[in-house]
Amino acid sequence: SAVISQKPSRDICQRGTSLTIQCQVDSQVTMMFWYRQQPGQSLTLIATANQGSEATYESGFVIDKFPISRPNLTFSTLTVSNMSPEDSSIYLCSVVGGIQETQYFGPGTRLLVL
Amino acid sequence: QKEVEQDPGPLSVPEGAIVSLNCTYSNSAFQYFMWYRQYSRKGPELLMYTYSSGNKEDGRFTAQVDKSSKYISLFIRDSQPSDSATYLCALSLNDYKLSFGAGTTVTVRA
Repeated sequence: SAVISQKPSRDICQRGTSLTIQCQVDSQVTMMFWYRQQPGQSLTLIATANQGSEATYESGFVIDKFPISRPNLTFSTLTVSNMSPEDSSIYLCSVVGGIQETQYFGPGTRLLVL
Repeated sequence: QKEVEQDPGPLSVPEGAIVSLNCTYSNSAFQYFMWYRQYSRKGPELLMYTYSSGNKEDGRFTAQVDKSSKYISLFIRDSQPSDSATYLCALSLNDYKLSFGAGTTVTVRA
């Protein structure tokens, strides 16, 4: 399975500011995704990070709020823009890999917005 | 109605007991069925993966899928305190995008 790291692991931010989260994979992968896990809730897909083109967003998520970059097959960033306390969540990146093309998750970034 | 329904528990069992977890879903187009385990302050870890109806066994874990009933289960035999975690079912179409259940928090008492 792929080894996935995320930076930062956690942060506390003021409302109105932005935070960029990095996701690094130890091997080239074709599919990368970003998920959100709000307190006490399950994971919700934010978008598919496409290498070399604009991300594909799920219903309820927009590029202005969650801009995503994917410059190559091992790295992606998610920015949470103009944050409000409702953005307090765990943000996770995931990749598809392995023989069975299953999905593996990073450790997550815990974000608290005050 | 949510696409995937999972009882959030919590579920508390004594060590050695069988843990039974399940999810129901509404979209019959789901093709792939997974169970993830998530420890506190960690990312989800893939436990079981299947794409057909029937049973799949891996050590102490058995996953069952019944597509006709839109029902999936995970059984943990001889449960250990180290199995204490949140268990999430996840389903996908043929596009790798996962739809998750709410997760069931399990505590195995020593």
